[in-house]
Amino acid sequence: QQQVKQSPQSLIVQKGGISIINCAYENTAFDYFPWYQQFPGKGPALLIAIRPDVSEKKEGRFTISFNKSAKQFSLHIMDSQPGDSATYFCAAYLYSGNTGKLIFGQGTTLQVKP
Amino acid sequence: NAGVTQTPKFRVLKTGQSMTLLCAQDMNHEYMYWYRQDPGMGLRLIHYSVGEGTTAKGEVPDGYNVSRLKKQNFLLGLESAAPSQTSVYFCASSYGGLGYNEQFFGPGTRLTVL
Repeated sequence: QQQVKQSPQSLIVQKGGISIINCAYENTAFDYFPWYQQFPGKGPALLIAIRPDVSEKKEGRFTISFNKSAKQFSLHIMDSQPGDSATYFCAAYLYSGNTGKLIFGQGTTLQVKP
Repeated sequence: NAGVTQTPKFRVLKTGQSMTLLCAQDMNHEYMYWYRQDPGMGLRLIHYSVGEGTTAKGEVPDGYNVSRLKKQNFLLGLESAAPSQTSVYFCASSYGGLGYNEQFFGPGTRLTVL
């Protein structure tokens, strides 16, 4: 019940296209949903995040869509660029006891072809 | 500011050997975390610390020990390495423990256990 399921595992998109990565969860106690971006050989870095009382959040070309009733959220990358080629992780935050933990999805490797 | 640094970057161990991974942060963060990243499994929390002198178990703590003697350092120990511990290890830190407190990741340590 603490899992976050992410799909697809890999994605190839042409430059200028839209990249869409989906995540689903079961535990309704999750209360914050960040996305992390990881370039090869580097650590993950926070890209964008959303609270469950918001249906959409946009930052530049990156948008999170959140469907609380379906327990799903997705990352949309508009006008995808070769520089967006990276691995993307969705995550969900669970507060339990006196602290909280991030539960990560399995990751999606995005390749944007020039 | 260096952010989060990890030592070493690469290491090869034989089964049964021990080693310590060092994580250091210069952001005066209270919370520190150790994750392992394996293909298709995302990042999984090994241990974490909510402050100097405290440690707690995460999702996959078996075979690992940690210590947080100084606020800026978080050590991950493998007492008797096993091939199943071959992975990329990431340290992270955050100012607080809530979902909106961004976790800052180090560059990772690639460990191979033969």
